[in-house]
Amino acid sequence: GAVVSQHPSWVICKSGTSVKIECRSLDFQATTMFWYRQFPKQSLMLMATSNEGSKATYEQGVEKDKFLINHASLTLSTLTVTSAHPEDSSFYICSAGGLAGIYTDTQYFGPGTRLTVL
Amino acid sequence: GQNIDQPTEMTATEGAIVQINCTYQTSGFNGLFWYQQHAGEAPTFLSYNVLDGLEEKGRFSSFLSRSKGYSYLLLKELQMKDSASYLCAVGVKAAGNKLTFGGGTRVLVKP
Repeated sequence: GAVVSQHPSWVICKSGTSVKIECRSLDFQATTMFWYRQFPKQSLMLMATSNEGSKATYEQGVEKDKFLINHASLTLSTLTVTSAHPEDSSFYICSAGGLAGIYTDTQYFGPGTRLTVL
Repeated sequence: GQNIDQPTEMTATEGAIVQINCTYQTSGFNGLFWYQQHAGEAPTFLSYNVLDGLEEKGRFSSFLSRSKGYSYLLLKELQMKDSASYLCAVGVKAAGNKLTFGGGTRVLVKP
């Protein structure tokens, strides 16, 4: 149990375009999903927390108009990087929490999406 | 806010034991998590401690002392495949169960 998928696994785009990344919990309903960004040799930086049917809560310094998050159902959240620029190139990872049982507070991570903006 | 400290790197020999320490300062503590992350991959869940004491899962054990703000991850019978980064993360209940991660400890297992 606790499988989280992410699509695409990698994407290369031109500067100024928008990129959508999907995160799905495959075998459980995730009450909360989280989006992280990770630069090489650095730890995970939380970007935002999203709950199904409500607006995402963004961390300080993260532009909500640039990183649009939609959490349409208990199994799907999407992150759209709008008007991407080279400095947005990073490894984007989602996680899902809310698995029933003793690990309800544990976050399970998707495989990540490597974004390269040219 | 949260402050989490763990060593940057550790080196150990195949078959040996390595202990990765993590100290934290936080309010609204809701559990201490350990994740393993191989280069270029997403983190995988290893262990979760919310009460004081030792949790053992095969070759990996995790310990927590809430009064000391201290945890460690113990890796026994090290294998080459254990070379990875190990992330200590603290859960904060009031913040929607979000996790704050330490910088990670890169463990290199040598033959």
